[in-house]
Amino acid sequence: GAGVSQSPSNKVTEKGKDVELRCDPISGHTALYWYRQRLGQGLEFLIYFQGNSAPDKSGLPSDRFSAERTGESVSTLTIQRTQQEDSAVYLCASSLGRGPPLDTQYFGPGTRLTVL
Amino acid sequence: QQPVQSPQAVILREGEDAVINCSSSKALYSVHWYRQKHGEAPVFLMILLKGGEQKGHEKISASFNEKKQQSSLYLTASQLSYSGTYFCGTEYNTDKLIFGTGTRLQVFP
Repeated sequence: GAGVSQSPSNKVTEKGKDVELRCDPISGHTALYWYRQRLGQGLEFLIYFQGNSAPDKSGLPSDRFSAERTGESVSTLTIQRTQQEDSAVYLCASSLGRGPPLDTQYFGPGTRLTVL
Repeated sequence: QQPVQSPQAVILREGEDAVINCSSSKALYSVHWYRQKHGEAPVFLMILLKGGEQKGHEKISASFNEKKQQSSLYLTASQLSYSGTYFCGTEYNTDKLIFGTGTRLQVFP
């Protein structure tokens, strides 16, 4: 089937506004991950879902960041009161969720967020 | 906890070899290698398991040294298509990968 999809592909917003980023994982993948990648930097773990539960939220930078997943499918990452330092590419990945060892993660194309 | 990759950048001519290292200060369960081309999503290359054998993928192979808690990625007879940023993702008996800082590889004709 189709791979991981993310929307929007690009988002430009003004400082202080809220944004929602969407991720559609591969059908049947129970694990879903969100990462942040600043320009020229590595992959920063944000949050992980197994099914609809989020056992590990340790990577969320602040309480302005939240995420949810419904129907063991679509996930939404919400950033409230955006700041300029939130500008980055937000990547979503999904996997079969077995392990250890962890299954291969399949990444979406990302959402490029620019906060003016 | 973030693994350290070295070198940070490599420049090669086609046909040359390269080694990228990924080191951890904690005991590793597995190491996953990904490649990200400019403007694209990371793509899985291979996984190395604790106690496992060296894995290979075309002319790209990797090893896992448990004593040193280090994995090495070997690229032989490099091709233009190998250009990109290589990330190691480390698993520490948890449900997530911690990715390294990345190694940027550029292959020129």
